[in-house]
Amino acid sequence: QVQLQESGPGLVKPSQTLSLTCTVSGGSISSGDYYWSWIRQPPGKGLEWIGYIYYSGSTYYNPSLKSRVTISVDTSKNQFSLKLSSVTAADTAVYYCARDMNGLDYWGQGTLVTVSS
Amino acid sequence: QSVLTQPPSASGTPGQRVTISCSGSSSNIGSNTVNWYQQLPGTAPKLLIYSNNQRPSGVPDRFSGSKSGTSASLAISGLQSEDEADYYCAAWDDSLNVRFGGGTKLTVL
Repeated sequence: QVQLQESGPGLVKPSQTLSLTCTVSGGSISSGDYYWSWIRQPPGKGLEWIGYIYYSGSTYYNPSLKSRVTISVDTSKNQFSLKLSSVTAADTAVYYCARDMNGLDYWGQGTLVTVSS
Repeated sequence: QSVLTQPPSASGTPGQRVTISCSGSSSNIGSNTVNWYQQLPGTAPKLLIYSNNQRPSGVPDRFSGSKSGTSASLAISGLQSEDEADYYCAAWDDSLNVRFGGGTKLTVL
C-alpha cells in the first residue's frame, strides 16, 4: 500500500521560502508512469493544483505560481519536494502531496503552513 | 475563480439521487478525462471517479460519473448521511496543467 507523508515547517515568515518534503513509502518513486503532485487548500477554500514532477524528472507548474515554484525529486530517499518562494499570507494553506496516475489516487494527510511574521 | 465551474452547494434527503455538475471548456473537459474527489470534513480528498466514469476499488456503485462535451456530472444515488462532504471535479488541460472545480458542498437533509 502506497503511503505519502508531508513534512516541513508549519510557520514561514513573509517573503521567505516555503519548503516541504513528501516521503513515499510502499513503492518506488522512480517506478511506474506517475506524476508526483503538490496541491494546496487555503482555510475554508477549495483545492488548488501547484504542480507535479514526472518520474522522468519533467515538471509542470500552475501558471499562476510558476515564477515562484520548484518541485524536485530525490530518488535515493524516495522523496519529492516543494519550494515556494516569496510567500505572503495568501500562501497560508494545507499543503498535500499526492500521486497521479489516473487521477490523484494516493494523498498525504496534509500539512498546514501558516505565513506570518 | 476556478476554470471548472461547479455549483457551490447541493442537497438531498436520504435515499434520494443527487447530481453535481462540472462545466469546462474545449481545452480541458472537452479534450481530457474528468476525475471526481470527495473530501470529508478534516480529511484529505479521496479519488471517487476517474476517467469520467470509472470507480476505484472500494468506491460504492452508488457513485457514478458521466461526461458530455465540455461538461461532466457526478451522480449519487441512495444518498446516505455519510455522503455529506465537499466534492471536486478535476481535469487536465491541453497544457498538461491540472484544473480543479471550485467544489460543491453536499448537505444531506
